[in-house]
Amino acid sequence: RKEVEQDPGPFNVPEGATVAFNCTYSNSASQSFFWYRQDCRKEPKLLMSVYSSGNEDGRFTAQLNRASQYISLLIRDSKLSDSATYLCVVNGGADKLIFGTGTRLQVFP
Amino acid sequence: DAGVTQSPTHLIKTRGQQVTLRCSPKSGHDTVSWYQQALGQGPQFIFQYYEEEERQRGNFPDRFSGHQFPNYSSELNVNALLLGDSALYLCASSMGQSQPQHFGDGTRLSIL
Repeated sequence: RKEVEQDPGPFNVPEGATVAFNCTYSNSASQSFFWYRQDCRKEPKLLMSVYSSGNEDGRFTAQLNRASQYISLLIRDSKLSDSATYLCVVNGGADKLIFGTGTRLQVFP
Repeated sequence: DAGVTQSPTHLIKTRGQQVTLRCSPKSGHDTVSWYQQALGQGPQFIFQYYEEEERQRGNFPDRFSGHQFPNYSSELNVNALLLGDSALYLCASSMGQSQPQHFGDGTRLSIL
């Protein structure tokens, strides 16, 4: 079983749609969780950290369910510029980041 | 305030050669991690340096080695290159444990 699993997609959604990505992780001792965004042939960029109580940043909402070892990202009112690969990331201890393979999002007009 | 910088941007090598990639962390960051990203995959952790020591290592052979200098910059060395080493090599820096890591633009390495 992979340490971090994501649906690779692609998710094709129209502008204005709401889309949700899910991710599961295997190490119950993991303490830190993040979503990164990666554009084609670019470096990953931190989108947001994920906190136990859930957190929101504008149109983006992240949730963590420790009991189910599950992380989600919700994007509301999708924009064309949201098209990218979204990487679920778990801190595997001492700053070792473990990445999922990413979920590709394509927003169309 | 400069972010994480990596050099070179692109590199072409042949099998059996050796390569050195360089990374300067973001100002104020003391920890440098290296990742390998193959096409269509998420980045894979290679190793991390803190206080000039390798603190953690992923599942990579000894052909992959590194170094951190007193100014926190770092090098990744790969010996006896294989075709499968072709990938984007990413450097990330952070300040302290469990803090978000910030990535450089990466070095795209192609092995012929």
